[in-house]
Amino acid sequence: SQQGEEDPQALSIQEGENATMNCSYKTSINNLQWYRQNSGRGLVHLILIRSNEREKHSGRLRVTLDTSKKSSSLLITASRAADTASYFCATDAIQGAQKLVFGQGTRLTINP
Amino acid sequence: GAVVSQHPSRVICKSGTSVKIECRSLDFQATTMFWYRQFPKQSLMLMATSNEGSKATYEQGVEKDKFLINHASLTLSTLTVTSAHPEDSSFYICSASDRGFAYEQYFGPGTRLTVT
Repeated sequence: SQQGEEDPQALSIQEGENATMNCSYKTSINNLQWYRQNSGRGLVHLILIRSNEREKHSGRLRVTLDTSKKSSSLLITASRAADTASYFCATDAIQGAQKLVFGQGTRLTINP
Repeated sequence: GAVVSQHPSRVICKSGTSVKIECRSLDFQATTMFWYRQFPKQSLMLMATSNEGSKATYEQGVEKDKFLINHASLTLSTLTVTSAHPEDSSFYICSASDRGFAYEQYFGPGTRLTVT
């Protein structure tokens, strides 16, 4: 079952602006990851944040994790047209089977 | 490193026929492989997890007799959609892990299945 909820479901902004996407989950996790998917393509791994981390940066990406609220956010700064894609969070739970559970995703459109 | 391929990338088949999708880890040994299905504008749904040499573990609601998974070697897993119907049309994505950790999955490029 999908435990991740993401909002917004769709986001459209102008090139150069910042884009923020949020993800919430239900169970206690080991890690949370963010992936990008271009239309009709496979997944590209963006960043992993561990449950004992609160913030992580990678280039123009900034990820935060609040385990008390069971939520994470992905910030893309200075967006580019090439950032247009769907973004998914995925979690692996502390207990239970070794598997990833994906959020519903945010479709991001960067307008030139 | 950690490249996963899928073949074919696109397949069209007639209703009632079976189609096989291959997932290969090209430069590592995959002890565990995962199969996902993704409907248009939706998220990835895990179908099953397979470990090399053993039977796959299917998620609730996934028919194991319809979606046959074989993980016969450390570099190859196959998904066979048997007696395909139009509602099986979807994007199928595999991933592979060399250490069996869920968070260390390397994803294939996906296979677009269209059943007519």
